Amino acid sequence: EVQLLESGGGLVQPGGSLRLSCAASGFTFTTYAMSWVRQAPRKGLEWVSAIRASGGSTYYADSVKGRFTISRDNSNNTLYLQMNSLRAEDTAVYYCVKASVYSTFDYWGQGTLVTVSS
Amino acid sequence: DIQLTQSPSFLSASVGDRVTITCRASPGIGSYLAWYQQKPGKAPRLLIYAASTLQSGVPSRFSGSGSGTEFTLTISSLQPEDFATYYCQQLNSYPRTFGQGTKLEIK
Repeated sequence: EVQLLESGGGLVQPGGSLRLSCAASGFTFTTYAMSWVRQAPRKGLEWVSAIRASGGSTYYADSVKGRFTISRDNSNNTLYLQMNSLRAEDTAVYYCVKASVYSTFDYWGQGTLVTVSS
Repeated sequence: DIQLTQSPSFLSASVGDRVTITCRASPGIGSYLAWYQQKPGKAPRLLIYAASTLQSGVPSRFSGSGSGTEFTLTISSLQPEDFATYYCQQLNSYPRTFGQGTKLEIK
């Protein structure tokens, strides 16, 4: 059974940093690209970042480029999102997502809430 | 960036109704489109990929069609568990944009 378990969310002040983790199990982690998707309160889905299976290529939404860094540890089946210079508008539930061979998001974690507020 | 526009944003329907949600892409994206269902407080669930392929385990009352710039998600006979918010997403290029969502409510 595929499982994606996010952690690391919480309350942080504007300008602060946070690192999200996603522990993956139930599939061959090294084979699949992974993404982070977020959802602000009462808003729609926003794709944040992606990383290829090898970790060699990364992609970012313009809204987070230069502030967020996606990475993965294939030896420990873990995905990360380092978030710096956080803003109020980064407040959201962050989902860890597995991409299928068709690039679609076939498995989602339960999400972790990040709140940026003073 | 590719823009996705869903319509309608809100849809009120009854159990047993046939409903259709449209997603328009600009520019075109071939068949690189997926549909997701999200219920309150839950993570989204993949319904359809490659515009028309049903994800394993998804009931056959869900279907998708289209290519290029116009796509549709159809639910042939609404069931109580189908009342949720639906999103389209393009997988043609980065950033992997989502539509703004269609909230399907009980009439």
